[in-house]
Amino acid sequence: GAVVSQHPSRVICKSGTSVKIECRSLDFQATTMFWYRQFPKKSLMLMATSNEGSKATYEQGVEKDKFLINHASLTLSTLTVTSAHPEDSSFYICSAREASGARETQYFGPGTRLLVL
Amino acid sequence: AQSVSQHNHHVILSEAASLELGCNYSYGGTVNLFWYVQYPGQHLQLLLKYFSGDPLVKGIKGFEAEFIKSKFSFNLRKPSVQWSDTAEYFCAVNGRRNYGQNFVFGPGTRLSVLP
Repeated sequence: GAVVSQHPSRVICKSGTSVKIECRSLDFQATTMFWYRQFPKKSLMLMATSNEGSKATYEQGVEKDKFLINHASLTLSTLTVTSAHPEDSSFYICSAREASGARETQYFGPGTRLLVL
Repeated sequence: AQSVSQHNHHVILSEAASLELGCNYSYGGTVNLFWYVQYPGQHLQLLLKYFSGDPLVKGIKGFEAEFIKSKFSFNLRKPSVQWSDTAEYFCAVNGRRNYGQNFVFGPGTRLSVLP
């Protein structure tokens, strides 16, 4: 299957600082990538859909000014957590869509664990 | 709106036991169906997927799933589990009319296989 990478895998930061997480599709082009948040023992919660060349689409309840998304190219999307607070500590996962007509599959990155002190 | 339910929150089996994890979805149209697995400390990996054709789909590591349209189900099966199958399993659905939109994931089922 296709490969998606995330960087960094783990980050610890101080409250009030900003953190950038990168998501790359390594062997295919992805016009659409997704950002999820996963809470302990819970399923994935979609935060936003990242579209190459246009603004991201945010899910209800997700602050777009806090979670900045940039889809700079067909293989890279970034999520920046601005002015991070301890409650932003979580596991952030991206996925990239590989599509052929109506047959589309999402491939997931390994996730980034964020700890805000 | 689409929704996905998974019958069991936590399943505990002994090695060599047979496995069946339930997945039901609600959607009025044609769907694409997926099972993903998340091993401890690892990222989500695609186990298998169904787009069309034979409703019995074979995936990696000996897993298979059967799409039963009349029951809106896509249950995951494995005839003999191993300790290494211990993981979280997620069912996901994407409505084909919703091409370009996101998948809907079930809440997940945690499988613990005892050696």
